[in-house]
Amino acid sequence: EAGVAQSPRYKIIEKRQSVAFWCNPISGHATLYWYQQILGQGPKLLIQFQNNGVVDDSQLPKDRFSAERLKGVDSTLKIQPAKLEDSAVYLCASGTSGIQETQYFGPGTRLLVL
Amino acid sequence: SQQGEEDPQALSIQEGENATMNCSYKTSINNLQWYRQNSGRGLVHLILIRSNEREKHSGRLRVTLDTSKKSSSLLITASRAADTASYFCATDGNQFYFGTGTSLTVIP
Repeated sequence: EAGVAQSPRYKIIEKRQSVAFWCNPISGHATLYWYQQILGQGPKLLIQFQNNGVVDDSQLPKDRFSAERLKGVDSTLKIQPAKLEDSAVYLCASGTSGIQETQYFGPGTRLLVL
Repeated sequence: SQQGEEDPQALSIQEGENATMNCSYKTSINNLQWYRQNSGRGLVHLILIRSNEREKHSGRLRVTLDTSKKSSSLLITASRAADTASYFCATDGNQFYFGTGTSLTVIP
């Protein structure tokens, strides 16, 4: 079965610019997660969707980050405007139910903000 | 701050030796998972242990969970060079948290 797809794989932008990341989860997976992983740290959950509804976005910096999952399938994460400290790998994961489940991760998008 | 903290931060062993890494967390959990991350395969799920379980095995992996001490350990037996990676514990309580990770190097 196809895994979680993410694009782009790499992105370099100037601070104060906008950027968007795309994620296509494994077919049939109801749960979708976005994580931010700063170099040398573990992934930090930004937002969790169950179908097209938000389950947890408590760690999402809502003044600059937004995410949507229209139609409950693929998802986009946007940063506007970007700051230097947003430089990180953005990981998307999906799962079947959201309860005690295994998460399947995509390859990530590496963002560098200059 | 993140929920889980792994110990040690880095570990270097010879191929064939066993590797043990520990995870401590702060609040009550429903389950604890271990993931592996390397540059070739990204972040991959290894094993899940529920809060009412004390030990679980999967191949060369052995995980223990002590909810009274809020800690878990991951043992990799007969390590291989391909086990070189970062290992993270992840807890699922009110929120899902990853720990800071242990970087394991297995020397051939």
